Amino acid sequence: EVQLLESGGGLVQPGGSLRLSCAASGFTFNKFALSWVRQAPGKGLEWVSAISASGSGTYYADSVKGRFTISRDNSQNTLFLQMYSLRGEDTAVYYCAPSPGGVFRSYYDYWGRGTLVTVSS
Amino acid sequence: ETVMTQSPATLSVSPGERAALSCRASQSVWSNLAWYQQKPGQAPRLLIYGASTRATGIPARFSGSGSGTEFTLTISSLQSEDFAVYYCQQYNNWPQGFGQGTKLEI
Repeated sequence: EVQLLESGGGLVQPGGSLRLSCAASGFTFNKFALSWVRQAPGKGLEWVSAISASGSGTYYADSVKGRFTISRDNSQNTLFLQMYSLRGEDTAVYYCAPSPGGVFRSYYDYWGRGTLVTVSS
Repeated sequence: ETVMTQSPATLSVSPGERAALSCRASQSVWSNLAWYQQKPGQAPRLLIYGASTRATGIPARFSGSGSGTEFTLTISSLQSEDFAVYYCQQYNNWPQGFGQGTKLEI
């Protein structure tokens, strides 16, 4: 059974930083690209970032480029999202999801429960 | 960027009736279109990928159709557990993107 457990969310002031983690199990972690998708309160879904299976390729939405860094530890089956210079519009539930179609063309068949990031003073 | 537009924003239907949800892409996405269901407080659940292929464990009352720029999710006979928000997602063009959602209500 695929399990994804996001953690690291919380309340942070504008301009602050936060690091999210996603612990994965139930699939061959190092064979899959992974993505972060977020959802602002009461809003729709927004793709944030993706990383290739090896970790050599990283990709970002324009809204977070230069502020967020995605990485992974294939030895620990864990995905990360380092977030800097946080803004109010980054407030959202952040989900991690395996990307069976790779980084460029994928739907998401498994989702974690998400972790809430709140950016507010 | 490919813009995904869902309609209607809210659809009111009675249990047992049929519902048809629409998703339009601003440029062709071929058949690289997925549908998700989301209930309050839960993560999205994949229903359909490849425009018409049901995901594992999805009941046959859910069906997807369309290609290019026009897509439809049809729920043939609504059950109480189907009332939720539905999102479409295109994954053909970079960057991938989601529609704004259709709320299916009783």
